[in-house]
Amino acid sequence: GAVVSQHPSRVICKSGTSVKIECRSLDFQATTMFWYRQFPKQSLMLMATSNEGSKATYEQGVEKDKFLINHASLTLSTLTVTSAHPEDSSFYICSASASSSGTASTYGYTFGSGTRLTVV
Amino acid sequence: AQSVTQLGSHVSVSEGALVLLRCNYSSSVPPYLFWYVQYPNQGLQLLLKYTSAATLVKGINGFEAEFKKSETSFHLTKPSAHMSDAAEYFCAVGLHSGNTPLVFGKGTRLSVIA
Repeated sequence: GAVVSQHPSRVICKSGTSVKIECRSLDFQATTMFWYRQFPKQSLMLMATSNEGSKATYEQGVEKDKFLINHASLTLSTLTVTSAHPEDSSFYICSASASSSGTASTYGYTFGSGTRLTVV
Repeated sequence: AQSVTQLGSHVSVSEGALVLLRCNYSSSVPPYLFWYVQYPNQGLQLLLKYTSAATLVKGINGFEAEFKKSETSFHLTKPSAHMSDAAEYFCAVGLHSGNTPLVFGKGTRLSVIA
């Protein structure tokens, strides 16, 4: 149980275009999802926390107009990188937490498999 | 506030030797603690988690970790390293609710030498 599916796993886009990354919880309801960015050989940097049906909470320094997060249902959150530039190239990872009927002790913060974004 | 410190950004062991990856945490409330493993270009896989039950936690692939409150530590061990254990390991601290994000350490890269 507690599987998170993240797509695409790898995407190459041209500078100036937008890219959407999807994160789905397959067998549980995820009221909260987290989006991280990971630079090569570094740890995960939290970008934002999204709660189903409400606006995402962005970490300091993360441009909310560039990184649009939508959490429209209990099983799907999307991250859209708008007007992408080469400096946005990175590894993006989502993580889902259970609904109020479950806790971190139950699901342990399940992670997606990540998306490698390359902007050329 | 919570924080995690992983001592040693790179650990190298011989195949068959003991693996010890160190993690110390800081938390103002009883923490939940996690170890994740990451292989290149992949997401994070949960190795084990401490959620205030038994202090010695056994995980997958022969790994285990012991929660020591007095030392604020949660070190990861494996008796005998295998080549397939070579990866990046992250220690993380979180809260019971699950509605707050995990706080990660900087990671430790484990190399296994044949």
